[in-house]
Amino acid sequence: EDQVTQSPEALRLQEGESSSLNCSYTVSGLRGLFWYRQDPGKGPEFLFTLYSAGEEKEKERLKATLTKKESFLHITAPKPEDSATYLCAVRYSGNTPLVFGKGTRLSVIA
Amino acid sequence: ETGVTQSPTHLIKTRGQQVTLRCSSQSGHNTVSWYQQALGQGPQFIFQYYREEENGRGNFPPRFSGLQFPNYSSELNVNALELDDSALYLCASSLDHGYTFGSGTRLTVV
Repeated sequence: EDQVTQSPEALRLQEGESSSLNCSYTVSGLRGLFWYRQDPGKGPEFLFTLYSAGEEKEKERLKATLTKKESFLHITAPKPEDSATYLCAVRYSGNTPLVFGKGTRLSVIA
Repeated sequence: ETGVTQSPTHLIKTRGQQVTLRCSSQSGHNTVSWYQQALGQGPQFIFQYYREEENGRGNFPPRFSGLQFPNYSSELNVNALELDDSALYLCASSLDHGYTFGSGTRLTVV
């Protein structure tokens, strides 16, 4: 059973069309939920870490929120340069590694 | 502050051969993790090293092995390569809760 599920798998937006990506998780004892951006053939680039329900973080056009069962990555007025795969990962205890979802491939069309 | 660097960037090997991938961790980071990312999938955890000792392993066979050196750099070794080993191999270094990824090594097994 997947511990981290991301939806949708792919999303196509017009430039300026705001939307949200979802990451749901089933682990207990969450020790951090991470959002990364990944461009084709590159390593993941860190965006945000969230630790507790109700927490929110923002960076430029991106805003991440966290509840007890899921996280949302809100993209406001996206631009073509926001096109990438967005990965969600969780860490659920001590020194355990990150557990990733499969990602959401975002395409922003001018 | 230098980031995480991986070498080589691309590699083509024949089935049955052995390969060594290298990772230089970010300055001051004492933990290094290795991930395998197949096309269209999220990264899958291979193993983690903390101060030269393996302290976590994912669901990968023993032909995947590693080392961490006193300067916290690391190697991933894969023996008896199989076609399914073709993937992007990612190294991440961390200190406490933050994870910084390298750009990865693209391994193709033919």
